[in-house]
Amino acid sequence: AQSVTQLGSHVSVSEGALVLLRCNYSSSVPPYLFWYVQYPNQGLQLLLKYTSAATLVKGINGFEAEFKKSETSFHLTKPSAHMSDAAEYFCAVSVGIRTGANNLFFGTGTRLTVIP
Amino acid sequence: SAVISQKPSRDICQRGTSLTIQCQVDSQVTMMFWYRQQPGQSLTLIATANQGSEATYESGFVIDKFPISRPNLTFSTLTVSNLSPEDSSIYLCSVEAQGGETQYFGPGTRLLVL
Repeated sequence: AQSVTQLGSHVSVSEGALVLLRCNYSSSVPPYLFWYVQYPNQGLQLLLKYTSAATLVKGINGFEAEFKKSETSFHLTKPSAHMSDAAEYFCAVSVGIRTGANNLFFGTGTRLTVIP
Repeated sequence: SAVISQKPSRDICQRGTSLTIQCQVDSQVTMMFWYRQQPGQSLTLIATANQGSEATYESGFVIDKFPISRPNLTFSTLTVSNLSPEDSSIYLCSVEAQGGETQYFGPGTRLLVL
């Protein structure tokens, strides 16, 4: 079975500070991992994904994440927070292409607040 | 990535009624998914809709409450039936990108049941 744990339902950072959002996964097979962002009153937008290629994945808006198998982690980082980064961030796991549905399992989300 | 639209974007409904949500994609896709996001919570998969076959429902979701149609490769509907206040949520559709490992989401439908 697959699952995702996001540590910290709320994270606050100052504008210009490092953003670190934590995600740990559980999967019985090699996973595909995703970070999505949800801005207020909007749907989910894909930030980045890991699909068994490079372990350091770069996404949109300056975000990146590193897949660490030994730690079963896929933390999201950004060197310098911007006010526009304030949103809800979801980590998700799937087991990739298989017969039938390619289901995504989502974490509970982390709300990022950026303080001016 | 696919461009996905949903109608309506939001609605307020009376208990006991039903709401049908439409999801339109700008390209043909095999798999479409319907999720529910209850207030302040994460996303939960309701069902998977594959064109030409019955939808596959996740545990806790039944066809009588959430009937789904998938008439072609670019369109699907989700009906939430016999509404109660507990159905107040955001309902999102998503599609599986070509290659199969990534899902792209629509903007969601915000439902409030009074």
